[in-house]
Amino acid sequence: AQTVTQSQPEMSVQEAETVTLSCTYDTSENNYYLFWYKQPPSRQMILVIRQEAYKQQNATENRFSVNFQKAAKSFSLKISDSQLGDTAMYFCAFMTSRSNYQLIWGAGTKLIIKP
Amino acid sequence: DTEVTQTPKHLVMGMTNKKSLKCEQHMGHRAMYWYKQKAKKPPELMFVYSYEKLSINESVPSRFSPECPNSSLLNLHLHALQPEDSALYLCASSQVQGPTRGAFFGQGTRLTVV
Repeated sequence: AQTVTQSQPEMSVQEAETVTLSCTYDTSENNYYLFWYKQPPSRQMILVIRQEAYKQQNATENRFSVNFQKAAKSFSLKISDSQLGDTAMYFCAFMTSRSNYQLIWGAGTKLIIKP
Repeated sequence: DTEVTQTPKHLVMGMTNKKSLKCEQHMGHRAMYWYKQKAKKPPELMFVYSYEKLSINESVPSRFSPECPNSSLLNLHLHALQPEDSALYLCASSQVQGPTRGAFFGQGTRLTVV
């Protein structure tokens, strides 16, 4: 079975701090695509960052970066200089040909940024 | 334009009502999705349309009926729903059904069945 595990149900940090959200996954495929989505209280699911498994270089998008460890099947998200607007649910997800390229989701991590 | 627009934002309906949820995108995407999301849970896939044809139906009850009139529009027709169908319904689109740069989501319709 292909699964995604987010072991931190909830986290909170002070504004301007750096926070890392963990994500591990399980698949027997060699090629796949990994995603982090953010869902703030406004409900819209927003794509934060994307990583292709065949690329060794870690993806970055402004204050967001990932630590992709393929052998360990780990895909953590680092948020630098956290802002109040980063408060949201964060979902890790991936897709493979075996999943018919449908997203397989983790349970989510609720991140609270405190002023 | 990277928006997926869903209407209405909120909907309250009785168990005997018929209503429809609408979704629109103008990004030229050829894959569109309906998801159901319960509070504090990840989205659950319901339907996938690829090039306006139903590609995936995740064993969704027939009281939910999807429709894709054209490449920009996706509807979800609701009839005889149950209170347990109350949830956030999310529409999404992607370039194609396959490895892409990711799916873009609308803000969802909060559905309450009374």
